[in-house]
Amino acid sequence: SQQGEEDPQALSIQEGENATMNCSYKTSINNLQWYRQNSGRGLVHLILIRSNEREKHSGRLRVTLDTSKKSSSLLITASRAADTASYFCAAMGIGGGADGLTFGKGTHLIIQP
Amino acid sequence: EAQVTQNPRYLITVTGKKLTVTCSQNMNHEYMSWYRQDPGLGLRQIYYSMNVEVTDKGDVPEGYKVSRKEKRNFPLILESPSPNQTSLYFCASGRWGPYEQYFGPGTRLTVT
Repeated sequence: SQQGEEDPQALSIQEGENATMNCSYKTSINNLQWYRQNSGRGLVHLILIRSNEREKHSGRLRVTLDTSKKSSSLLITASRAADTASYFCAAMGIGGGADGLTFGKGTHLIIQP
Repeated sequence: EAQVTQNPRYLITVTGKKLTVTCSQNMNHEYMSWYRQDPGLGLRQIYYSMNVEVTDKGDVPEGYKVSRKEKRNFPLILESPSPNQTSLYFCASGRWGPYEQYFGPGTRLTVT
């Protein structure tokens, strides 16, 4: 299993601050993905970073990947109340789709207005 | 609108009564998958399908069946539900694999 593990489990910050979440995984990956889940709803794909990439940006999101440390981080800049959600990393094994996608347990982010 | 739909959204049933949760996507995606989400355990994959008539086990397949007779549909079947299958279930699809998946709204199942 390529299980990702997020850290911290929960994070509470003030609106406007930056939020950083970390993810670690166990073995070599094809790519690592981040998803957001608003309370009890379906997950929404945020960003995918491939194993040969080190950094990727999408709007206020910045993802880094360090394959030597088997870790990734998700940075949300200038946070907003609407960013309150759970964030999951998901690691895909080097076999690609046939290896499936293994999700971590998530970081619950609360943005205080 | 591109979407994955699931039905029912909520279901309370009794042990042993067969049930089916339907999943349908309108994006012509090759890949579809079922996950269950439990507190403290995150999302775990039950079954997935890379294409029509091609299905495979995920991490927690015991007690579940699936079929993929058409590209758009991927129903999850519980032949004899048990209380440990009480969970929140998500169907997801991806264009040609578990990349950038679209998730359905979830089905909250309670087995008493």
